Amino acid sequence: AQRVTQPEKLLSVFKGAPVELKCNYSYSGSPELFWYVQYSRQRLQLLLRHISRESIKGFTADLNKGETSFHLKKPFAQEEDSAMYYCALWGVGSGNTPLVFGKGTRLSVIA
Amino acid sequence: DAGVTQSPTHLIKTRGQQVTLRCSPKSGHDTVSWYQQALGQGPQFIFQYYEEEERQRGNFPDRFSGHQFPNYSSELNVNALLLGDSALYLCASSHRTGGPLFGPGTRLTVL
Repeated sequence: AQRVTQPEKLLSVFKGAPVELKCNYSYSGSPELFWYVQYSRQRLQLLLRHISRESIKGFTADLNKGETSFHLKKPFAQEEDSAMYYCALWGVGSGNTPLVFGKGTRLSVIA
Repeated sequence: DAGVTQSPTHLIKTRGQQVTLRCSPKSGHDTVSWYQQALGQGPQFIFQYYEEEERQRGNFPDRFSGHQFPNYSSELNVNALLLGDSALYLCASSHRTGGPLFGPGTRLTVL
């Protein structure tokens, strides 16, 4: 079964501190992993996709197949990073399978 | 391109009523998926439409039904509304190789 676990419901960090949002997954095949972000009163937005290997807004995430993890990291948190972050998994044959989401982590960056 | 659009933005219904939510996918996307996001939870997959057919379905009762039109737009219908159906309903569109993009959602309140 496909499952995504985000162990932290809330993460509070000070501005300028490093951030790591944890995501672990369970999937028997080769998944595609995503991070979505939802700012207050805005729609869910695609932040990162592991196959693109991009850095968006200073965030990076590396897929670790051995540890089945896809943690989201940023070296220096900014106040505008405060939002809900969702890790999501897309199965093999991605085009027509649903995303499976974790329950989300609320990041609060304190000035 | 306006991206994924949904209507209406907000909706208030009473128990037992029926509701129809609408979604227009991003231009070039042919697959539409619907998700329910309860307060404080990650989005839960309801079903997915491709080529006007329901291809996959999550763990939702038959009261939840849908349709996809030839122009790829989609409707979500919920019959015999329950208080527990109150949630944000998200539509996501995708194509074979892209990550799903989400609409702003429809906030449904059942009284």
